[in-house]
Amino acid sequence: GESVGLHLPTLSVQEGDNSIINCAYSNSASDYFIWYKQESGKGPQFIIDIRSNMDKRQGQRVTVLLNKTVKHLSLQIAATQPGDSAVYFCAENPPGETGANSKLTFGKGITLSVRP
Amino acid sequence: DARVTQTPRHKVTEMGQEVTMRCQPILGHNTVFWYRQTMMQGLELLAYFRNRAPLDDSGMPKDRFSAEMPDATLATLKIQPSEPRDSAVYFCASGSDPTGTLFNEQFFGPGTRLTVL
Repeated sequence: GESVGLHLPTLSVQEGDNSIINCAYSNSASDYFIWYKQESGKGPQFIIDIRSNMDKRQGQRVTVLLNKTVKHLSLQIAATQPGDSAVYFCAENPPGETGANSKLTFGKGITLSVRP
Repeated sequence: DARVTQTPRHKVTEMGQEVTMRCQPILGHNTVFWYRQTMMQGLELLAYFRNRAPLDDSGMPKDRFSAEMPDATLATLKIQPSEPRDSAVYFCASGSDPTGTLFNEQFFGPGTRLTVL
């Protein structure tokens, strides 16, 4: 079936550099996407979300970009810090599930490692 | 600081034993989710509840898994009998929808790490 996936399993960046984490989704009907961060030994933590009627959304040091043409989602982290080291997941609302607290389909996850 | 709590944090058991995992959602949240996380499969939704009613448990093996919400402050996930392939981290998450918006944030607990020998 259709699923959310990630291009790269690991990403290593230098502290202070910008990080870009990519996610491909296959279901063009998905209309809501979320990025989660999971630190070792903890549960996933919400970072930022975006609806399909937007192509960009900014938060504090993070930006999510959505390209519906190629079904691609990315998370940009500015001035990456050691505390950003974690596993990052993208997630989508499957078709028919739109609405607050509907179920999400998560991607496999990508590890971000920040070099000091 | 409102948080989702889960107990136990770690559980080691032998194959065939019953396992019960508990979750206390954030007070006032009306939706509760159970996820399982493994290296191979990632995060998988097992079941979720809204206002204590089960909405979807299609991700859960019905023959051995059961999920309930005895009251608004407690969600349980049971495995009986447990098998080695059930070894994973089980997460509970909760959310709320007071205004009917499409905001979909789910707050995750710290998880229960289950090992079935």
